[in-house]
Amino acid sequence: GAVVSQHPSRVICKSGTSVKIECRSLDFQATTMFWYRQFPKQSLMLMATSNEGSKATYEQGVEKDKFLINHASLTLSTLTVTSAHPEDSSFYICSASRRGRGATNEKLFFGSGTQLSVL
Amino acid sequence: KQEVTQIPAALSVPEGENLVLNCSFTDSAIYNLQWFRQDPGKGLTSLLLIQSSQREQTSGRLNASLDKSSGRSTLYIAASQPGDSATYLCAVGNQAGTALIFGKGTTLSVSS
Repeated sequence: GAVVSQHPSRVICKSGTSVKIECRSLDFQATTMFWYRQFPKQSLMLMATSNEGSKATYEQGVEKDKFLINHASLTLSTLTVTSAHPEDSSFYICSASRRGRGATNEKLFFGSGTQLSVL
Repeated sequence: KQEVTQIPAALSVPEGENLVLNCSFTDSAIYNLQWFRQDPGKGLTSLLLIQSSQREQTSGRLNASLDKSSGRSTLYIAASQPGDSATYLCAVGNQAGTALIFGKGTTLSVSS
């Protein structure tokens, strides 16, 4: 089955630093990738939709200058948390939509997530 | 705006019991509905996907049903095992090519 690889799985950083999270579709091309954030005991909340070759679409309340998303190829999207603060500590997870095959959202494939802890 | 609700938030059962997890959504015009399992600190494992034209899907001891008109889905787990302990998430896709909208999940604990 389709595989989405997400790295790193866990990162601890100091306040003020930037952290980059990678999401790769290993065996299919993903024109669209989605980034979610999950706080403890909460649901996954959509942060942004990343489209290959164009700017990401951010959900209301998500700061685009703080959470930089780049989708430069059909197999890679990155999320950079800039100037991270303790309140950015969360579980970040990406998902990828398989290209073509008619129904593009028949099944989304998820990465394994990244636990970010900002000290 | 689509909202997904899961009841109960937490559930504890002894091993061997059959159980039902509930999911409701506010907008019945969905494209599909998916059930996931999430272990603590881990990503998502897809369990069952139901297209809007389908009424149910089965995989092993799991059975998921969908009633679009009433905005409800249930996940039935037969003969529960301690290894089933996890958080179960219900997610709705409104349209092809769009992100899934998740409920908060039901945390299941199965004791041996």
